[in-house]
Amino acid sequence: NAGVTQTPKFRILKIGQSMTLQCTQDMNHNYMYWYRQDPGMGLKLIYYSVGAGITDKGEVPNGYNVSRSTTEDFPLRLELAAPSQTSVYFCASRGLAVGTDTQYFGPGTRLTVL
Amino acid sequence: AQSVTQPDIHITVSEGASLELRCNYSYGATPYLFWYVQSPGQGLQLLLKYFSGDTLVQGIKGFEAEFKRSQSSFNLRKPSVHWSDAAEYFCAVGGDTNAGKSTFGDGTTLTVKP
Repeated sequence: NAGVTQTPKFRILKIGQSMTLQCTQDMNHNYMYWYRQDPGMGLKLIYYSVGAGITDKGEVPNGYNVSRSTTEDFPLRLELAAPSQTSVYFCASRGLAVGTDTQYFGPGTRLTVL
Repeated sequence: AQSVTQPDIHITVSEGASLELRCNYSYGATPYLFWYVQSPGQGLQLLLKYFSGDTLVQGIKGFEAEFKRSQSSFNLRKPSVHWSDAAEYFCAVGGDTNAGKSTFGDGTTLTVKP
């Protein structure tokens, strides 16, 4: 199992550009999450999904969009990138079974918007 | 609403000394509690977790944590700190409700003096 994989690892964007951060998990997990981590801060939830075709907003969704067409993939789309979106982005997944609430994290994508 | 407070932003200890990192949580149901460690430029690694049962849980790298329901706390401890323990530590709370979402504290930075 590769677990949770994210691409790219690093990216520099210009203001106004758009991009998609990819996230894939091979554990057949129903739940998937996108977080951002600003310097010196904890993780803030951007969007989450409870299964294919079902997504919902987290704490800080503005400026982002997501889709979940398959169980494995949960891409995060940035439209019109802004300097405030400079951050490290983490994708995570967890299973559905009660009592197994451990989120597995990807290695992160470091994004800079200039 | 669920929340986590890590009261200590930065802690410095001498190598070989004991360590305690504090975590207080708020959660409306039975909480699942986690401690993660993050080295600079890296992703999050799960140190330990509490779901139920024994309130003293053992984790990797010699860490342990004690769940105290009456104090809404889940403090992390290590009897003897090593220089390699220098990192950022995050406490998180989650559960089986609310789409399994976890809420993270803002983290505590640990510096280890030689």
